Amino acid sequence: ELKVEQNPLFLSMQEGKNYTIYCNYSTTSDRLYWYRQDPGKSLESLFVLLSNGAVKQEGRLMASLDTKARLSTLHITAAVHDLSATYFCAVVPLNAGGTSYGKLTFGQGTILTVHP
Amino acid sequence: SAVISQKPSRDICQRGTSLTIQCQVDSQVTMMFWYRQQPGQSLTLIATANQGSEATYESGFVIDKFPISRPNLTFSTLTVSNMSPEDSSIYLCSVVELGPHGEQFFGPGTRLTVL
Repeated sequence: ELKVEQNPLFLSMQEGKNYTIYCNYSTTSDRLYWYRQDPGKSLESLFVLLSNGAVKQEGRLMASLDTKARLSTLHITAAVHDLSATYFCAVVPLNAGGTSYGKLTFGQGTILTVHP
Repeated sequence: SAVISQKPSRDICQRGTSLTIQCQVDSQVTMMFWYRQQPGQSLTLIATANQGSEATYESGFVIDKFPISRPNLTFSTLTVSNMSPEDSSIYLCSVVELGPHGEQFFGPGTRLTVL
């Protein structure tokens, strides 16, 4: 059974600081997703990471994937209040014969709060 | 990217009743899924909505409780049957865009409260 673990689960940051959220998963996967969820809202797609060593950046967020270590990171640079949200990573297991498109296993989520 | 709408956006229902949630996509998609997010929790896959055949359910979810229809490539319904307070959750429809990026998008969700 695929397990996806995020840490930390709660992150309180000061504006202007840097921090990293970690996402570990237990079985082979060929793609990893990062989503953002604001309170009472649906999920917003941030990144899709498709291969080992993949790195993507959008604004103050940068995501990377190490498939050998089964680890993805979401790095936050110079945090601002608008980044306050819950961040989820999600993994598609790589099954024999192909991928399981759409069948995401989610991490627990990291609740990020950015303070002035 | 695909635009997904869901109806209703929220509902409050009595124990023992059923609610049908609709999911509409603005383009044809091969793969459509239903997820559940219990209060304060992460998301869990309920089933894959297959066009032209029965839905495929994940462990812990059964057709009698969560019947799903997928009459065409743009529409699906999820029914939550014989509801109990434990069914209070957000139910989200999701689609995958095939191609090199394979992005997966989620609908706005249906917030269900069962009294």
